[in-house]
Amino acid sequence: DAGVIQSPRHEVTEMGQEVTLRCKPISGHDYLFWYRQTMMRGLELLIYFNNNVPIDDSGMPEDRFSAKMPNASFSTLKIQPSEPRDSAVYFCASSREGEGLTDTQYFGPGTRLTVL
Amino acid sequence: GESVGLHLPTLSVQEGDNSIINCAYSNSASDYFIWYKQESGKGPQFIIDIRSNMDKRQGQRVTVLLNKTVKHLSLQIAATQPGDSAVYFCAENISLDTGRRALTFGSGTRLQVQP
Repeated sequence: DAGVIQSPRHEVTEMGQEVTLRCKPISGHDYLFWYRQTMMRGLELLIYFNNNVPIDDSGMPEDRFSAKMPNASFSTLKIQPSEPRDSAVYFCASSREGEGLTDTQYFGPGTRLTVL
Repeated sequence: GESVGLHLPTLSVQEGDNSIINCAYSNSASDYFIWYKQESGKGPQFIIDIRSNMDKRQGQRVTVLLNKTVKHLSLQIAATQPGDSAVYFCAENISLDTGRRALTFGSGTRLQVQP
């Protein structure tokens, strides 16, 4: 299995531009998570999906952030308009609901976003 | 690679020594715990997990200990190697009454292995 795939790996954009981050979860996984990691705040959960349905988006910082999962193999995180404070590494993770509580999340390599 | 935190606690050990990384969790209702390793430029990688009905679990060169009384989790790495240098995160999983689950990550500890 190729693991969780994210693209692009690096994104540099100017303030005000739209940014779209992409994620392909591990095949067969029921859950998909979007995280943001910064030096100051560490790893933060933004939103997660179960069977393509958004379950909890309470971590999404502002209305400028939106996430979709049109099918089981693809998700996007969009920031419009982007701001310099959005600069961070964004991780996508997926997991499969196993027996009991074994829902270990497998992370992608991340997208490093820099907003100038 | 990215920096995950300038203010992370750092544990420095000599190659071949054993390492112990500690984590305090906050919610007594947490029922599942995971240790992740994050190397520079990569995403967190699963190391080992433990359920709340266990006190100890062993993997290859790693052991996780859980003390629910004081809400403390530790990761022991035997015969630490240079490749173990990374940031280590503990995460606690809470099953919410809504049926949802939430995984909360700690702030991380940087392990530096000196050759």
